[in-house]
Amino acid sequence: GDSVTQMEGPVTLSEEAFLTINCTYTATGYPSLFWYVQYPGEGLQLLLKATKADDKGSNKGFEATYRKETTSFHLEKGSVQVSDSAVYFCALTRSGGYQKVTFGTGTKLQVIP
Amino acid sequence: GAGVSQSPRYKVAKRGQDVALRCDPISGHVSLFWYQQALGQGPEFLTYFQNEAQLDKSGLPSDRFFAERPEGSVSTLKIQRTQQEDSAVYLCASSWGGLAGSTGELFFGEGSRLTVL
Repeated sequence: GDSVTQMEGPVTLSEEAFLTINCTYTATGYPSLFWYVQYPGEGLQLLLKATKADDKGSNKGFEATYRKETTSFHLEKGSVQVSDSAVYFCALTRSGGYQKVTFGTGTKLQVIP
Repeated sequence: GAGVSQSPRYKVAKRGQDVALRCDPISGHVSLFWYQQALGQGPEFLTYFQNEAQLDKSGLPSDRFFAERPEGSVSTLKIQRTQQEDSAVYLCASSWGGLAGSTGELFFGEGSRLTVL
């Protein structure tokens, strides 16, 4: 079945550091890929997405590129802020049919001043 | 508000009690999902509705779990004879798309945290 594997946390970075959170996936066909973020006390919300190979999703300074050859969708940000502290979930959904989303286990990011 | 609303936010139940969790999706959203999120884990799919039809219930862990969406809007997840392993956050999400396809973007509520003693 479909699955998403992401790096374990927590990840602790100083403000303005470079962030990478690794994500790889297993799925048949050509899934759409997502990063969701959960800020403390809030519900999950979509951060960015990519729907086909080589697409780059971006939002709020975060980027991720859909790499079919390595089945990866790593999340990056050049300079993190304290306000980026949250739990980040990599996810996928298959093309066609209804849009059941499969999530990874989440990576907690803590940014310290 | 205009977002997905879930109630109650927190529920403590004694083992063996029945619980009901409510979800008010965004108005007009066709698809509604229930997920279960254990502590430190990602959301795990439970069930899916397109309007009032329950098209996928493959993630429900046992026959003690039951979900309905009788009028294609509000949904209720019911857990009978709760067990300690049912303790988790139950997330509801909605999206505008149905089988014809959508962006795949889900809009989540803040969840209902269930603790079974």
